[in-house]
Amino acid sequence: DTAVSQTPKYLVTQMGNDKSIKCEQNLGHDTMYWYKQDSKKFLKIMFSYNNKELIINETVPNRFSPKSPDKAHLNLHINSLELGDSAVYFCASSHFYRRQGRTEAFFGQGTRLTVV
Amino acid sequence: GIQVEQSPPDLILQEGANSTLRCNFSDSVNNLQWFHQNPWGQLINLFYIPSGTKQNGRLSATTVATERYSLLYISSSQTTDSGVYFCAVIDTGRRALTFGSGTRLQVQP
Repeated sequence: DTAVSQTPKYLVTQMGNDKSIKCEQNLGHDTMYWYKQDSKKFLKIMFSYNNKELIINETVPNRFSPKSPDKAHLNLHINSLELGDSAVYFCASSHFYRRQGRTEAFFGQGTRLTVV
Repeated sequence: GIQVEQSPPDLILQEGANSTLRCNFSDSVNNLQWFHQNPWGQLINLFYIPSGTKQNGRLSATTVATERYSLLYISSSQTTDSGVYFCAVIDTGRRALTFGSGTRLQVQP
């Protein structure tokens, strides 16, 4: 009954490889996100999708490409991995309840990516 | 974009002590959340609190939106409270959380 789940939890790969991280939410939310947490624990937004439409695309190398096949899934593909891509990547989801003016976000357990 | 500042950056407590963590933000917000990142890296939702006061067990939070700050109170701290506490806000123009840099809490037995 996990609300936001992402796989894999750990990913170790060599420089130059292409990898994907998958994310699924079963909360019925309309917005999904990818965040990157660096070695100093700082969390920064990378992408946001609302109803499968890209609405936030921060300054991220174009080697990173999000894909949202439906509202419940948001995957992250990374091409030509570099050492500096090593980080923890978090998926999250939220829903804007217009009547209450409320948006609360929930996070997956994170994927620790290590590029060697 | 909106700026979120948390203080103190680091905090060491003895078990049983109380503490207050602060979050200041630079603009109007329509969402504020507190998270605990445990030593295993999970981000746990503590409070959704754009204004007012909420309590959950030993933890409570207060947000004064007009003065642009929020406080997280931890009473009778336990070693399991250790980890990083994040404040995050959504400003009125965006639909994504902007995080503060966190307060790293270590509770010693």
